[in-house]
Amino acid sequence: KAGVTQTPRYLIKTRGQQVTLSCSPISGHRSVSWYQQTPGQGLQFLFEYFSETQRNKGNFPGRFSGRQFSNSRSEMNVSTLELGDSALYLCASSLDRPANTEAFFGQGTRLTVV
Amino acid sequence: KNEVEQSPQNLTAQEGEFITINCSYSVGISALHWLQQHPGGGIVSLFMLSSGKKKHGRLIATINIQEKHSSLHITASHPRDSAVYICAAHLNRDDKIIFGKGTRLHILP
Repeated sequence: KAGVTQTPRYLIKTRGQQVTLSCSPISGHRSVSWYQQTPGQGLQFLFEYFSETQRNKGNFPGRFSGRQFSNSRSEMNVSTLELGDSALYLCASSLDRPANTEAFFGQGTRLTVV
Repeated sequence: KNEVEQSPQNLTAQEGEFITINCSYSVGISALHWLQQHPGGGIVSLFMLSSGKKKHGRLIATINIQEKHSSLHITASHPRDSAVYICAAHLNRDDKIIFGKGTRLHILP
């Protein structure tokens, strides 16, 4: 059974640009959550999608957005990139609410903003 | 003050030692997760707890809801256990998840 796949693994972008990251969950999983990890702040929750609907959202500015498709694949987008957006972005999939079911993480996308 | 606090931040031990990592939280939670992160970034979910105790191999996780405290224990530690261990709490108030800062564990052979 394939795990959670995130693409790309590494990305370098320039300040002001936008970026789209992709996450393919484990087959049958309908919940996809996104997280940002930085050395200073650690892991922080971005948002959670379930059956194409955003079910929960963390405390990030509107520049951070996401969506989920009918096949449960999810994308997150960051517009007008800032240097502070450099981070490891992780997604996790689960059958249902992450509070109730085991989450499986992807390897992450390491974004560097220069 | 962070709502989820982990201790210690760093821990170095000899192979075979019994390891304890602590996680305290100050808010109402519906579940607590223990995660393991190896160099390179990949995260593995070790346990999900809402009460009591769970065991998987050499790993044991406990939670005391009244005291708002959870512990992760590793018996007969091995160098391959070297990783960052992170606790994560699902909040009752808004179902969001917040993370501890992590404990960096290094097991010496």
